[in-house]
Amino acid sequence: DIQMTQSPSTLSASVGDRVTITCRASQSIGSWLAWYQQNPGQAPKLLIHKASTLESWVPSRFSGSGSGTEFTLTISSLQPDDFATYYCQEYHGYPYTFGQGTKLEIK
Amino acid sequence: QVHLVESGGSVVQPGRSLRLSCAASGFTFSYYGMHWVRQAPGKGLEWVALISYDGSNKYYADSVKGRFTISRDNSKNTLFLQMNSLRAEDTAVYYCAKELTGFGMNVWGQGTSVTVSS
Repeated sequence: DIQMTQSPSTLSASVGDRVTITCRASQSIGSWLAWYQQNPGQAPKLLIHKASTLESWVPSRFSGSGSGTEFTLTISSLQPDDFATYYCQEYHGYPYTFGQGTKLEIK
Repeated sequence: QVHLVESGGSVVQPGRSLRLSCAASGFTFSYYGMHWVRQAPGKGLEWVALISYDGSNKYYADSVKGRFTISRDNSKNTLFLQMNSLRAEDTAVYYCAKELTGFGMNVWGQGTSVTVSS
């Protein structure tokens, strides 16, 4: 099974900051990586698919990059709505594996 | 409006069974694979199972293989998860999610809570 290692587990930042979350796969997954955003008490929402393609609702301050085993999610200028938990997920093969999550907190 | 609504969650004793349902609307249910994903209290997301659009292929996480069964009724636009031999570690919110091939899980339900406790 593919393992997904996400870091950091917690990130403290301020409105306006630029932040980056990293996700590493234990073997190559091409670009078959998704990012999800989850707010407390809510279901996850698909943020990015195929490593770098933003869903239609996602502001342009979000970006995703990477391929193979190394991936990043970057938020260029944090806004209040962005403080949430983010998960990467590979969908290269079964089982689909999620990263452990990154909780983005207000500093 | 694409919509997924889970139901069937409850408090159940270890070793007992429970069946979850997920009612779909707003899209052609029979065209899409469907997932179950769970989240234990205060923990991250764990993929549980996937069923292909026509029910012919099913995949499971090792943690539930042999105990859980995913199924669907395309005539009723409904997804199911039959959970047998429940354990305390199965306690979680269970989400159903729609698969969009090449995209991941692009629609999620609001979740249904399962607590396994004596």
